[in-house]
Amino acid sequence: QKEVEQNSGPLSVPEGAIASLNCTYSDRGSQSFFWYRQYSGKSPELIMSIYSNGDKEDGRFTAQLNKASQYVSLLIRDSQPSDSATYLCAVNSGGTSYGKLTFGQGTILTVHP
Amino acid sequence: ETGVTQSPTHLIKTRGQQVTLRCSSQSGHNTVSWYQQALGQGPQFIFQYYREEENGRGNFPPRFSGLQFPNYSSELNVNALELDDSALYLCASSPGDGYTFGSGTRLTVV
Repeated sequence: QKEVEQNSGPLSVPEGAIASLNCTYSDRGSQSFFWYRQYSGKSPELIMSIYSNGDKEDGRFTAQLNKASQYVSLLIRDSQPSDSATYLCAVNSGGTSYGKLTFGQGTILTVHP
Repeated sequence: ETGVTQSPTHLIKTRGQQVTLRCSSQSGHNTVSWYQQALGQGPQFIFQYYREEENGRGNFPPRFSGLQFPNYSSELNVNALELDDSALYLCASSPGDGYTFGSGTRLTVV
């Protein structure tokens, strides 16, 4: 079992729709959770962080965390063509692993006009 | 501008050679981490440095080594390059919430 697993994709949604990206993780001790966006040929860009159960909203983005189910998701409302990118879920276990992020393989999102 | 600068942007090396990649982060960012991202994969943790000492390492062989300097810059050194070392190499520091990546160095080993 992979430590961090994302829905395989690619995911294609029409402009204006909600894009839903999912991620599960295996380490129950994980403490910090991040979503990164990566455009082709560029480095990952942090778009959301979440540390406690529940929802966290920032503009069109909502991150959801359920530690009991070891599940974290990212919703993108009113999707735009500029949201087309690879989305990476990353998990940090904290403690002696401070600084180590474990990434999923990424989900490619395409928003078509 | 992310506050994390990497050089060079691109690099082509021959199998068996050695390479040094550089990273500079903002003052006060005591921790720097290095990642390798192969094409189509998520980044893989190589190691991290805190106050000039390595304090965490991923599943990479000893020919991957690093240094961190008092001025918050750091280096990633890779010896005896192999074709599979071709990847995007990223360094990251933490300004507080989350980890910020530099623009990366694209290494091609031929």
